[in-house]
Amino acid sequence: EVQLVESGGGLVQPGGSLRLSCAASGFTFSSYWMHWVRQAPGKGLVWVSRINSDGSSSTHADSVKGRFTISRDNAKNTLYLQMNSLRVEDTAVYYCARNYNNAMDVWGQGTTVTVSS
Amino acid sequence: QSALTQPPSASGSPGQSVTISCTGTSSDVGGYNYVSWYQQHPGKAPKLMIFEVSKRPSGVPDRFSGSKSGNTASLTVSGLQAEDEADYYCSSYARSNNCVFGTGTKVTVL
Repeated sequence: EVQLVESGGGLVQPGGSLRLSCAASGFTFSSYWMHWVRQAPGKGLVWVSRINSDGSSSTHADSVKGRFTISRDNAKNTLYLQMNSLRVEDTAVYYCARNYNNAMDVWGQGTTVTVSS
Repeated sequence: QSALTQPPSASGSPGQSVTISCTGTSSDVGGYNYVSWYQQHPGKAPKLMIFEVSKRPSGVPDRFSGSKSGNTASLTVSGLQAEDEADYYCSSYARSNNCVFGTGTKVTVL
């Protein structure tokens, strides 16, 4: 079964750091570009970051540029999102998703990040 | 990277059709044939319904169809069913390898 499972969310103070992980299974992870997407409570989906299949190229939304870094370990079939200098407005459910023809065809269940003092 | 514009809500009776618009710019929707649509039920992860403007993934009913004209894409749900009640989001590839989502539309089946 094709599956993505996020972990690493939690409560963190403003200015703090957190690393999210996304474990992939059931498909050849190293062949796919991957995304992170977030959704603040009661709000819409917002694209965060994208990384290519071998990890050599990535892009980030302006709202997280310089603070968040997407990466991957194809040997471990795992996608990461390093989040630094966290702000209250980063509070959201974070989803990882598989890229398919510039769409997202497989999604994880999400992990919740709460930034609060 | 401004969000694509969708109407906040849409509704229809069972069996009717509903169409949701998604308006962007020439830097996203109008510039590429990479518009996708997602269905999200409360508390659940989004589900891909349409990709590359009008293509349906395996398993998505043909009641769901997509189109695009200029800077505006549309999703039509025909033969509305109770289980179609959900939030719907469009998304587009955008310049410089970015991606942008729409503001979301809540579809209510009356």
